[in-house]
Amino acid sequence: DAGVTQSPTHLIKTRGQQVTLRCSPISGHKSVSWYQQVLGQGPQFIFQYYEKEERGRGNFPDRFSARQFPNYSSELNVNALLLGDSALYLCASSLIAGGDEQYFGPGTRLTVT
Amino acid sequence: GENVEQHPSTLSVQEGDSAVIKCTYSDSASNYFPWYKQELGKRPQLIIDIRSNVGEKKDQRIAVTLNKTAKHFSLHITETQPEDSAVYFCAASSGYSTLTFGKGTMLLVSP
Repeated sequence: DAGVTQSPTHLIKTRGQQVTLRCSPISGHKSVSWYQQVLGQGPQFIFQYYEKEERGRGNFPDRFSARQFPNYSSELNVNALLLGDSALYLCASSLIAGGDEQYFGPGTRLTVT
Repeated sequence: GENVEQHPSTLSVQEGDSAVIKCTYSDSASNYFPWYKQELGKRPQLIIDIRSNVGEKKDQRIAVTLNKTAKHFSLHITETQPEDSAVYFCAASSGYSTLTFGKGTMLLVSP
């Protein structure tokens, strides 16, 4: 049974560009959450989707957006990249919405130069 | 919103000793408290969790305790081994909200 998968593994972008990150949840899980983890800090909540609807949004600017597809996979988009967006972006999968039993993917390391 | 404080930020122990990491939370509605272990360059891994209707939970060498009145919970690792070395994160959720994480504790177990 496959775990949470994310692509790409690493990404290098320049300031002002746009990026799309992808996540596939564990089979049977209907909720996906996105987190940003800056080096030396705990993950910070960005979005949660359940059954293709946004169920929560963290304190991030409108440059960040996301969506969930009918197969429960998800994309995170970040526009007008800033140097401060450099981080590990983690996707977490869970059966239902909320915080219970979230399982993380390996993450996408984004570097903005 | 929820705020989770975690202490200490670093913890060094000798192999075989016990390690304790403590967290406090602010939202009295929080009812789910997981702990994650993150090794260098890897994903956070859920190692144990506790819900507000339980005061203590054990899984082999790992235990978590919860004091709802004081709004704090702790991770206890007994008989530490070098492979326990990692960053440990506590988190809290009120069920309908997603997870709020602490800043992490770097645990170093020396042989």
